[in-house]
Amino acid sequence: GAVVSQHPSWVICKSGTSVKIECRSLDFQATTMFWYRQFPKKSLMLMATSNEGSKATYEQGVEKDKFLINHASLTLSTLTVTSAHPEDSSFYICSATPQGTSGDEQYFGPGTRLTVT
Amino acid sequence: QKEVEQDPGPLSVPEGAIVSLNCTYSNSAFQYFMWYRQYSRKGPELLMYTYSSGNKEDGRFTAQVDKSSKYISLFIRDSQPSDSATYLCAMTAWRSGGSNYKLTFGKGTLLTVNP
Repeated sequence: GAVVSQHPSWVICKSGTSVKIECRSLDFQATTMFWYRQFPKKSLMLMATSNEGSKATYEQGVEKDKFLINHASLTLSTLTVTSAHPEDSSFYICSATPQGTSGDEQYFGPGTRLTVT
Repeated sequence: QKEVEQDPGPLSVPEGAIVSLNCTYSNSAFQYFMWYRQYSRKGPELLMYTYSSGNKEDGRFTAQVDKSSKYISLFIRDSQPSDSATYLCAMTAWRSGGSNYKLTFGKGTLLTVNP
């Protein structure tokens, strides 16, 4: 149980284009979904927190107009990297908190590796 | 001082060894403590979750929390080559003004278990 998927697992795009990453909870409904970014040999950095039907809450220093988050349903959240640049290349990981839990258990997706050329 | 400190290693041990991984933290508000395992180019997998001081055992894994010292540990007994991964400690505190727990991670310790 508590499986989270991400799509795509790997994407290459050209500088200036936009890329959408999907995060789905497959066997549970997620009250909250989180988006993280991870650089090589570094820990996960929380980018934003999203609740279904509400605007996402962004961490300090994260540009909300660049990283658009939509949490359309209790099983799907999307992250769109707009006007991507090479410095946006990273490993993006989502996590989800099952509905009905206390909110401190997060189950992670397999991650999406973004390369901007 | 960073909120969570974790020695990044790398740590290399022979198969069958007991592995000890540690994190220290500075924020007294942290209430829940977790250990995640992350294989290369994969998302983190929740291994252990605890919220009180003391030990919690699950198979070959034991999580230990000492809130008075702000110190947590993960012990792996009879380590296997398949345990080779990065181990991340994580902690949460209730987020002021909101209803979500913010997870704060350590940098992760890279473990290699040699056959």
